[in-house]
Amino acid sequence: AQSVTQLGSHVSVSEGALVLLRCNYSSSVPPYLFWYVQYPNQGLQLLLKYTSAATLVKGINGFEAEFKKSETSFHLTKPSAHMSDAAEYFCAVTRSGSARQLTFGSGTQLTVLP
Amino acid sequence: GAVVSQHPSWVICKSGTSVKIECRSLDFQATTMFWYRQFPKQSLMLMATSNEGSKATYEQGVEKDKFLINHASLTLSTLTVTSAHPEDSSFYICSAGQGDQPQHFGDGTRLSIL
Repeated sequence: AQSVTQLGSHVSVSEGALVLLRCNYSSSVPPYLFWYVQYPNQGLQLLLKYTSAATLVKGINGFEAEFKKSETSFHLTKPSAHMSDAAEYFCAVTRSGSARQLTFGSGTQLTVLP
Repeated sequence: GAVVSQHPSWVICKSGTSVKIECRSLDFQATTMFWYRQFPKQSLMLMATSNEGSKATYEQGVEKDKFLINHASLTLSTLTVTSAHPEDSSFYICSAGQGDQPQHFGDGTRLSIL
C-alpha cells in the first residue's frame, strides 16, 4: 500500500518569504508523486509531478519539489510567497498497481500574510 | 491545457430526490474517470474508478446502489446520487485521465441535501 503524510495542516508565511510544505511518502515500489493546489470551491490544479526522472522537479507558479529517496520526502518549496499562493495544497502518490489512481495526503492550508 | 468540465457546480435538493452530476473532458478522450468526495477541511477520498464502456470499480465502503456511475463515452461520465439524504451532502470532484498522463480535475459540485 502507498500513502503520503503531510506535516502541518496549516502553514503561515509572510509575503516574500520562503514557502516550505512537507510531504513524506510510503511506498514499496518506486512512486509517482504529485503536488496539487486547490482554491476555495474549486477542483485541483496540478503544480508538478515526479515520475522517476530528475529528482528536482519544477512546476508552475514558481514552485518546485525535490524527491529524496533516502528521506522518503517530496517537499514543496517556493522562494518567495505571493498573496495569490494562499490555498490548500495536496501531496499525492500513485497507488500500487496503477499509474493513475491517486492517494492524497490530508492537505496543508497555506496562509500568506501581508 | 486539458479541460474537464463538471456540472452543476452547486445543487440544493430535497431529501429523497436523485441528483445527477456530469463530468466532461472537453479537449481529450478520457479513458478513465475518477470520482472523489471531499468533506469540509478534509482531503479527497476516491469513491470509484470508471473506465469507458465498463462497470465502475468502487472503493471499499462506497455503496454502488447509492452512487451510480455511468461512463458511456470517452468524454462523459455521470455520477447519480440516488435517494439523497443530508449525510450525502458534500463536495464531489471528478477527474479524467488519458493513458498514464496526470489526471485533470473538474471544479467540483457542492451538493446540499435539505
